[in-house]
Amino acid sequence: GQSLEQPSEVTAVEGAIVQINCTYQTSGFYGLSWYQQHDGGAPTFLSYNALDGLEETGRFSSFLSRSDSYGYLLLQELQMKDSASYFCAVRDRGTGRRALTFGSGTRLQVQP
Amino acid sequence: AAGVIQSPRHLIKEKRETATLKCYPIPRHDTVYWYQQGPGQDPQFLISFYEKMQSDKGSIPDRFSAQQFSDYHSELNMSSLELGDSALYFCASSLGDAGQASYNEQFFGPGTRLTVL
Repeated sequence: GQSLEQPSEVTAVEGAIVQINCTYQTSGFYGLSWYQQHDGGAPTFLSYNALDGLEETGRFSSFLSRSDSYGYLLLQELQMKDSASYFCAVRDRGTGRRALTFGSGTRLQVQP
Repeated sequence: AAGVIQSPRHLIKEKRETATLKCYPIPRHDTVYWYQQGPGQDPQFLISFYEKMQSDKGSIPDRFSAQQFSDYHSELNMSSLELGDSALYFCASSLGDAGQASYNEQFFGPGTRLTVL
């Protein structure tokens, strides 16, 4: 099986940088994904890391260290619209299952 | 671009009633997933279909069943509804055009909010 841990809440101000950490345990590993979900909305794919290192997509970056079973999502130049829940997710390579197992989510609140 | 379509968006049922949720995946996507998300919870995987065949089962109760039809739309059938079934139900789809890695990028529909009274 898999388990993922991430902080439950993070608060930051507009224009700041915030890092959301995720540690995982899996029987196999297809990579670490990140999803954003606004209240009442659908999860939206942000990024995916299969290999170690940093992936940058605009204001968002994601990092992975497979040896440490650790990753993070970095959000820069925070905007009010970034207030949302952020989930890290993995797939179970051991079963070959395509479905995602999500972490419990980190609720990010951006303040003026 | 076409997105995943779900209907209905909202559904209110009484205990012990049945409900059917529908999902229309993005055209040409080969895998459809159903997830359940309770208030303040993360999405929990229920069941998935690959090319219209059931591929994986997650924490789907025996009271629930699902299928995917020849036109690729999928339906989640829920019977003997319980108060605890009140949740957001998401359908998602993905396409493995870049191999296994592609399944990490799943496209979610807007969800059906089911309320059981």
